[in-house]
Amino acid sequence: NAGVMQNPRHLVRRRGQEARLRCSPMKGHSHVYWYRQLPEEGLKFMVYLQKENIIDESGMPKERFSAEFPKEGPSILRIQQVVRGDSAAYFCASSPPAGGDNTIYFGEGSWLTVV
Amino acid sequence: DAKTTQPTSMDCAEGRAANLPCNHSTISGNEYVYWYRQIHSQGPQYIIHGLKNNETNEMASLIITEDRKSSTLILPHATLRDTAVYYCIVRVAGVNDYKLSFGAGTTVTVRA
Repeated sequence: NAGVMQNPRHLVRRRGQEARLRCSPMKGHSHVYWYRQLPEEGLKFMVYLQKENIIDESGMPKERFSAEFPKEGPSILRIQQVVRGDSAAYFCASSPPAGGDNTIYFGEGSWLTVV
Repeated sequence: DAKTTQPTSMDCAEGRAANLPCNHSTISGNEYVYWYRQIHSQGPQYIIHGLKNNETNEMASLIITEDRKSSTLILPHATLRDTAVYYCIVRVAGVNDYKLSFGAGTTVTVRA
C-alpha cells in the first residue's frame, strides 16, 4: 500500500512566480491535511480538506495561498507570487474516513526554495 | 500551551535500547499518546500510539503510566538509522483532532 505521495520533492521558484504542490493521499483515505515547516521551526497546520471541500483553513496565510482537493486527482497547494519567506518544507498528510483508527500519515514533503 | 514536555536531546549507543520519556500531565481521558519521528529531510513518520495500555509494534514499544501522566517510547535495539527528532503528541483519536502539535521533540542521536 503506497504511502502519501507528494510531488515535486524539490521546487525552486523565483520571487513572483507560482508554486503548485501536489499530494495523493494513501489509498482509502479521504481526509487530506497540509502542514508547513519553516527552517529551524516545527510543523504547523495549514489546512484540512475532504473531497471538494475545505473543512478548516485556519492555518493558511490569508493571501496568496490556496488549497483544493478535487473529486478526481490529487490535492493541490497553490502559492501565488511567492516570496523568500515562503521557502519551507510543505508536508501533506492523510487519514481514513471518520470512525475507527484515524492515524494521520505524512508524505515525504515538498521543499520549496524561493530565489 | 504545550501539552507534552520532552527532553531536548539524548544520545544512545547503537544496539542498545533507547528510552524516550514524555510528560503529559494534563492529558484528558479521551486523548491518546502518539509518537512520530522525523529523520532529517524527510516527513514525519508515525511510530505508535496508545490510550492506557502498553503497546508494541514492529518499530517500538509504548509504556504509559497508570495515571497516564507520562509515557516512554522504547526503541529496543537502536540503529544509526534511528537518529531523528522524536515527537510525543496527545490527540483525541477522532477526525476532529487533526491539528497535531509538533513541539521541539527530542533529538535522538544514535552513536556507533
